[in-house]
Amino acid sequence: ILNVEQSPQSLHVQEGDSTNFTCSFPSSNFYALHWYRWETAKSPEALFVMTLNGDEKKKGRISATLNTKEGYSYLYIKGSQPEDSATYLCAFWNAGNMLTFGGGTRLMVKP
Amino acid sequence: DTEVTQTPKHLVMGMTNKKSLKCEQHMGHRAMYWYKQKAKKPPELMFVYSYEKLSINESVPSRFSPECPNSSLLNLHLHALQPEDSALYLCASSQVTARQATNEKLFFGSGTQLSVL
Repeated sequence: ILNVEQSPQSLHVQEGDSTNFTCSFPSSNFYALHWYRWETAKSPEALFVMTLNGDEKKKGRISATLNTKEGYSYLYIKGSQPEDSATYLCAFWNAGNMLTFGGGTRLMVKP
Repeated sequence: DTEVTQTPKHLVMGMTNKKSLKCEQHMGHRAMYWYKQKAKKPPELMFVYSYEKLSINESVPSRFSPECPNSSLLNLHLHALQPEDSALYLCASSQVTARQATNEKLFFGSGTQLSVL
């Protein structure tokens, strides 16, 4: 069983605050690390797919970093907005061809 | 069209019923997936189809029977389910699986919320 852990489980921030979450995963047999954004009653939507140690990706106010040697990834949101409220899932793709999800971080941004 | 469409959105069934969940994509993706998500838990992989062939079955009970009739369609046939099978069932697709290309992302449907009485 692959262990993909996310912290914190939930987070309440004020509009305009910057925030970050952590995803930890096994450091062996690494293929890729995914981040998905899942709004209530919608489909999970891919934010980033990261494959190389030291990768940094950015999409608007959201960015992510990857450390495959120590098995962690950070997701950063700069200047949070109410529309950023969602559950953020990370997922680890290993040599066994399975995408294993963490439990998610539920972000709520108050106006 | 970058959508994965799942029907029905909600399903209530008894333990003796037979029902099917449907998933459709028209992006030309050759890998399709079924995930199960219980409340407050991460999505758990059930099945992976690659080029219409079942490539992964994660020890799922036989009361769940997947079918991939063509590259655009994925079904999940349900029979004699238990109340503990109540969950959100998510379908996803990707161009190919991670074995063929490591930078593939998954496109998800919005799920079928299943309740077994």
